[in-house]
Amino acid sequence: AQKITQTQPGMFVQEKEAVTLDCTYDTSDPSYGLFWYKQPSSGEMIFLIYQGSYDQQNATEGRYSLNFQKARKSANLVISASQLGDSAMYFCAMRDFGNEKLTFGTGTRLTIIP
Amino acid sequence: SAVISQKPSRDICQRGTSLTIQCQVDSQVTMMFWYRQQPGQSLTLIATANQGSEATYESGFVIDKFPISRPNLTFSTLTVSNMSPEDSSIYLCSVARSGGITDTQYFGPGTRLTVL
Repeated sequence: AQKITQTQPGMFVQEKEAVTLDCTYDTSDPSYGLFWYKQPSSGEMIFLIYQGSYDQQNATEGRYSLNFQKARKSANLVISASQLGDSAMYFCAMRDFGNEKLTFGTGTRLTIIP
Repeated sequence: SAVISQKPSRDICQRGTSLTIQCQVDSQVTMMFWYRQQPGQSLTLIATANQGSEATYESGFVIDKFPISRPNLTFSTLTVSNMSPEDSSIYLCSVARSGGITDTQYFGPGTRLTVL
């Protein structure tokens, strides 16, 4: 069974600094996809970035990048030059082959301090 | 990506009543999912709704409590029946085109439900 672990319930980061949000996963399937979502206080879930298990390079999307370490089964989200608007809950999620549904971690609440 | 709308955006309901939440997508999608997010918690999948077939419910969720309709490829409804305060949550509709490992799942804005 697939499992996602986010060990940081909350983080406080100074504005303009980089921040790394941790995510480890467990699956026995060699084919899987990893996703990060942002949930502001409004409640919507915003897709940020995707990493496939066979991707050779770490995914990047603007200020978001994914530090994918396959052997360690970790997929940490890196946000560069943090902004006040980055304050939100961040969820890591995974889908493996043949499993149409996403499994979510417990989330990390990120607060950016001015 | 897909543009997803949900109605209502929020509601306050009395115990014992039912509420139907609508989810509309701007394009045809194969897979639709309904999630519940209780206060301070992560997302929990209620059911998967594919057009033309009965919804598939996750462990702990039953059709009598959460009936779902999926009449076409752009629309679905979730009903929360005989509500109790424990049903107070954000309910999120989500869609995916194929459900493959590379297929991004997009979410609607959510429905904030408070049951008194």
